[in-house]
Amino acid sequence: DVKVTQSSRYLVKRTGEKVFLECVQDMDHENMFWYRQDPGLGLRLIYFSYDVKMKEKGDIPEGYSVSREKKERFSLILESASTNQTSMYLCASSYVTGELFFGEGSRLTVL
Amino acid sequence: GENVEQHPSTLSVQEGDSAVIKCTYSDSASNYFPWYKQELGKGPQLIIDIRSNVGEKKDQRIAVTLNKTAKHFSLHITETQPEDSAVYFCAASPISGGYNKLIFGAGTRLAVHP
Repeated sequence: DVKVTQSSRYLVKRTGEKVFLECVQDMDHENMFWYRQDPGLGLRLIYFSYDVKMKEKGDIPEGYSVSREKKERFSLILESASTNQTSMYLCASSYVTGELFFGEGSRLTVL
Repeated sequence: GENVEQHPSTLSVQEGDSAVIKCTYSDSASNYFPWYKQELGKGPQLIIDIRSNVGEKKDQRIAVTLNKTAKHFSLHITETQPEDSAVYFCAASPISGGYNKLIFGAGTRLAVHP
């Protein structure tokens, strides 16, 4: 069974803290994605990666960075968390073209 | 860039009724239109998709229709059941560079009442 695992389901951080969200997929997918989900705004792409050490900005990359050192792992980094980054974060993976497989999400609250 | 609008934002139906969710898109280059279902506490999951060379596609109780001229596509669920209750997202993809990059609608929260 395909699996995308996000390391933390719930996180509470303080403004200014550095935050790491980890994602691992076991399907040998080339593509990995980080989305942000907010009510009424749907899913918005933050960053995606099409290969190890390769990344491209999505629609809302400001305030975020990513790291992909291994094919199966894609990390989202908030260098200095702010309250407007309180949200649900979804990781996904896919083959070059095709279905996105999502993790269960990481709900981040920044106080 | 692409923009996808989805309506309604909430939909309440009685079990056994049909439900229809509609989406419009702006980029005529889009040629891939998937629908994702997100159950409570889970990530979205693909339930059906359609490509621009097809006008309609069915899978048991769900169907999707596409009108490329009008740039809209719709999800139809017949004989709804309580387990259909979820948030549904449409998306459109102007595939370029070999990488899929979907633009999602805002979502529709469907409630099916027994």
